[in-house]
Amino acid sequence: EDKVVQSPLSLVVHEGDTVTLNCSYEVTNFRSLLWYKQEKKAPTFLFMLTSSGIEKKSGRLSSILDKKELSSILNITATQTGDSAIYLCAVNWVRGAQKLVFGQGTRLTINP
Amino acid sequence: NAGVMQNPRHLVRRRGQEARLRCSPMKGHSHVYWYRQLPEEGLKFMVYLQKENIIDESGMPKERFSAEFPKEGPSILRIQQVVRGDSAAYFCASSSQGGTGAYEQYFGPGTRLTVT
Repeated sequence: EDKVVQSPLSLVVHEGDTVTLNCSYEVTNFRSLLWYKQEKKAPTFLFMLTSSGIEKKSGRLSSILDKKELSSILNITATQTGDSAIYLCAVNWVRGAQKLVFGQGTRLTINP
Repeated sequence: NAGVMQNPRHLVRRRGQEARLRCSPMKGHSHVYWYRQLPEEGLKFMVYLQKENIIDESGMPKERFSAEFPKEGPSILRIQQVVRGDSAAYFCASSSQGGTGAYEQYFGPGTRLTVT
């Protein structure tokens, strides 16, 4: 069964710290991996990584796909209290039409 | 450019009633997906629709649940004879394309269904 596992499940850091969130997957015929930020509402799209785009960056956030290790990391530098949220990783595979399989999420708390 | 819209945002139903959840995709998007998030669980895929077609319903419960995306109007997720276990947040997402490529899915704010 296709599986996506995120770690850690929960993380508490101080404002200004750098954090690294992990996502590993077991999916046959991988197509893409997506990161989302979920606060009290809709998951907000952050990045999509594919074989042709294994590294993305936007401001203080960056993400890398390691196809050999079947994993991805999401880095957040100089964290702010507004970064507190649940970060979701989702994977799509070629035979899965467009359906996304989500991990459990990492709950990130930034303390002032 | 309006994002994905869902209504109602909150819905309370008694056991045995019907629930209808609506989703309007982003402008220019013709592919719609429904996901369910049970309390303390991750998002789970339910169904993928294009206009007038169900593409993949592998995540839909076999009974009581149905979905449609008519030529005109929003996509509807319908739950008949609701039970307490149906209480969850139901999210809709949309993408500009589907098929064999990799496309971002953008999510709506969700409908929180409570069954009493």
